[in-house]
Amino acid sequence: QTVVTQEPSLTVSPGGTVTLTCASSTGAVTSDHYPNWIQQKPGQAPMALIYSTSNKHSWTPARFSGSLLGGKAALTLSGVQPEDEAEYYCLLYHGDAQVFGGGTKLTVL
Amino acid sequence: EVQLVESGGGLVKPGGSLRLSCAVSGFTFSNAWMNWVRQAPGKGLEWVGRVKRKIDGGTTDYAAPVKGRFTISRDDSKNSLYLQMNSLQTEDTAVYYCTSGSYEGYWGQGTLVTVSS
Repeated sequence: QTVVTQEPSLTVSPGGTVTLTCASSTGAVTSDHYPNWIQQKPGQAPMALIYSTSNKHSWTPARFSGSLLGGKAALTLSGVQPEDEAEYYCLLYHGDAQVFGGGTKLTVL
Repeated sequence: EVQLVESGGGLVKPGGSLRLSCAVSGFTFSNAWMNWVRQAPGKGLEWVGRVKRKIDGGTTDYAAPVKGRFTISRDDSKNSLYLQMNSLQTEDTAVYYCTSGSYEGYWGQGTLVTVSS
């Protein structure tokens, strides 16, 4: 059973930069895992931010960017805003299955 | 405006069945691979399964915990996605979300399924 691992929690100051990562128990994350990043605020439905490693949806703020970093998928927020406080989930494709990470709770403080 | 509206959730006893629906509008449903994702109370997101578009075979894949109990189907003429859930267990209690494929990135608001005696 594939396990996808994210930092449980991170804290960042407003205006700062933070990078969230996503690792797979099967080995290095590559573009073939089509990494996705999804944001969920308390009491709300999830919202997709990034697909296929680094592609943004039309609604994704420019301060969000996706990449591969040291064998992991990464989500970088530059110029963090208070409204970015949320849970962030990565999603990896493993063949015909998809696996979510456990989520990173991002606190803006 | 894109809308994915789930319905059919509710309270069901262990061992029971339930059928969820997702009505889609605002994008070309027949071109999209579609997924069901669930979230147990206070927990993270869990992929349930996916159905490909007809042109790609219309085949389905499921997560291990639901394989053999859940069935995903689609009706492109009605722009609708379905999730038939049988042999429900208490651990299936969750909000169930209908989502499009990664390229489109659309999510519904979810419907709550509670499995309890």
